[in-house]
Amino acid sequence: DSGVTQTPKHLITATGQRVTLRCSPRSGDLSVYWYQQSLDQGLQFLIQYYNGEERAKGNILERFSAQQFPDLHSELNLSSLELGDSALYFCASSVGQGDYWEKLFFGSGTQLSVL
Amino acid sequence: GDSVTQMEGPVTLSEEAFLTINCTYTATGYPSLFWYVQYPGEGLQLLLKATKADDKGSNKGFEATYRKETTSFHLEKGSVQVSDSAVYFCALSDRQRGNNRLAFGKGNQVVVIP
Repeated sequence: DSGVTQTPKHLITATGQRVTLRCSPRSGDLSVYWYQQSLDQGLQFLIQYYNGEERAKGNILERFSAQQFPDLHSELNLSSLELGDSALYFCASSVGQGDYWEKLFFGSGTQLSVL
Repeated sequence: GDSVTQMEGPVTLSEEAFLTINCTYTATGYPSLFWYVQYPGEGLQLLLKATKADDKGSNKGFEATYRKETTSFHLEKGSVQVSDSAVYFCALSDRQRGNNRLAFGKGNQVVVIP
């Protein structure tokens, strides 16, 4: 058990809808990262938050947004969903602001299916 | 940008066989290199890492050496077990950028047959 909790584990929705994925980092970790894993794109970095502030941005669509709350949990919001958004979404956490020596701990993911 | 390339396709082998998974990278800075493993239904776990050229990472019988001259970080294990069946991802992060966002390869499914 990595200590990173993601909910829900599975989510099935329709095109055009909006969903929220939730992540609770390991106790004491200040950074949260979101990754998308799809069959065609592989594992892609979306965004990182450190202590409530956006720290780094990757291949995140404008329809997607994220935030990190004062209790350090994070939410990834996906709107106007398309079939191609179906993927496994991982959250990871690390202790600091994301320096290269920090170990990342991954949650078990949220499987999103857009029908 | 920085990227990692893994050999195509799943790998199927018998128990006690030798495993090699190839990984090459492209980076402009000074990357740290990683191998992550994903067991069925679980998140990724760090398997091993190397932070500079000629470093060897090792864990659970797996090894990988950071080769700057060939820009490679191939994963090897001398004798695999059924419990090693998983998906293996090579990844890098750019130390110069001072950022731990990882660039992953597409992963290789390893199936070990008893």
